[in-house]
Formats: sequence, C-alpha cells, structure tokens
Amino acid sequence: DGGITQSPKYLFRKEGQNVTLSCEQNLNHDAMYWYRQDPGQGLRLIYYSQIVNDFQKGDIAEGYSVSREKKESFPLTVTSAQKNPTAFYLCASGTGGNTGELFFGEGSRLTVL
Amino acid sequence: AQSVTQPDIHITVSEGASLELRCNYSYGATPYLFWYVQSPGQGLQLLLKYFSGDTLVQGIKGFEAEFKRSQSSFNLRKPSVHWSDAAEYFCAVGPSGNTGKLIFGQGTTLQVKP
Repeated sequence: DGGITQSPKYLFRKEGQNVTLSCEQNLNHDAMYWYRQDPGQGLRLIYYSQIVNDFQKGDIAEGYSVSREKKESFPLTVTSAQKNPTAFYLCASGTGGNTGELFFGEGSRLTVL
Repeated sequence: AQSVTQPDIHITVSEGASLELRCNYSYGATPYLFWYVQSPGQGLQLLLKYFSGDTLVQGIKGFEAEFKRSQSSFNLRKPSVHWSDAAEYFCAVGPSGNTGKLIFGQGTTLQVKP
C-alpha cells in the first residue's frame, strides 16, 4: 500500500543528544514536510522540501536539520540546540505546487529525559 | 498574513446530536481549504477539501463543510455524531505561495457524551 512511514513511533533521549527521525514515502510525491505538534498550538512547520537536494526552513527551524538525498526519504534531526524538543513530530508529503493536499504519517513522539 | 483560527478549543456534544466546528481563515487569494481529523497518538486523516465549485463539500464519515467567502469561514458539520467521532479536528488553508505548504489552525478537540 502507498503511504508514509515514520519511525520510530516513540523515542526517548537524554539532554544534549542528537536524534534522527525517519520519514519514508512511496507515493512518488515531490514535496515533503515536517511539522511539530504541541498541545493547543496546532501544527507548526519545521522544514519542507519541494525537490531532491533542496529544502527550506519553515516557521520553527532553529535546532533542527534535514536532508533530502532521495525522493522517498526526508529525515529530521533534532539537535541538542533545540531547547524544548519534547513533542509529537509529523511528516507529510504532497505533490507540492498549488494543489495543497498533504498526506501524513503516523507521527513520532520524542521525549527528552 | 495567512492564518487559520478555530475559535473553539474544546467541544462536547451528546451522541446523536448535531455538530458544527468553526473555522475562519485569512488568505490573500482564493483559498484551498481542508479539514483533517486526528485520533490520539495518530497522524492526520483528510476528511474533506474545497478547491472550487460547489461551496458545500461532502467528505468521509458523514461530514460536510460549507465555504462562505463573505464570512471567510469553512465550518465543518455532521448531522448526528457517533462516539467514534471523538478526536481532534484541524482546519487548514493553503497552499502558501507555490510551496504546497498548509497553514493549520490550533485544533478543536471533540468529546462525545454517551
């Protein structure tokens, strides 16, 4: 089945450690997105990529990094510079451009101990 | 600036009662509008979308929404709520520029009383 796979679903890390969240899609979508979800704040865009080897910062990119070496993959690294990394992270993909509809993965919950 | 406002953070309705979730948007051009639903600890599922044409759109699970340009609103409705509808609902507008980005509201949590 076509879809978006995020892993791991739950992740714990100690302060000062970097952690990488995986996102893979087999929908043949050009665009991929990372959103952060906190209670009462909706979804906020971290990074997005419209094409392989290119990506742009979203609204809350500080303390995060991404890469887009393959069309199918858009991993997100939460670095030790992110001051409040405990959150639910959602990856999405879409055809990009002006169509707008996004397809979401099941999410990854990161907890910093 | 583009934005989405969902005025109700939390709504409780009785099972079998009707439901309306409000969404107001600010967008410079003709918007594309979406409603997504999220069960606890899960991703977002698309309920319905409006791109153009008929301003009343039908979605999955018996939901519908009406686009009212004069009110900048895109309210979600369901005539009879089921206990399984308890979830968080997000309204979104986009795309932003030519990026495909969506801007999301803060979400409305729906609780269904038996």
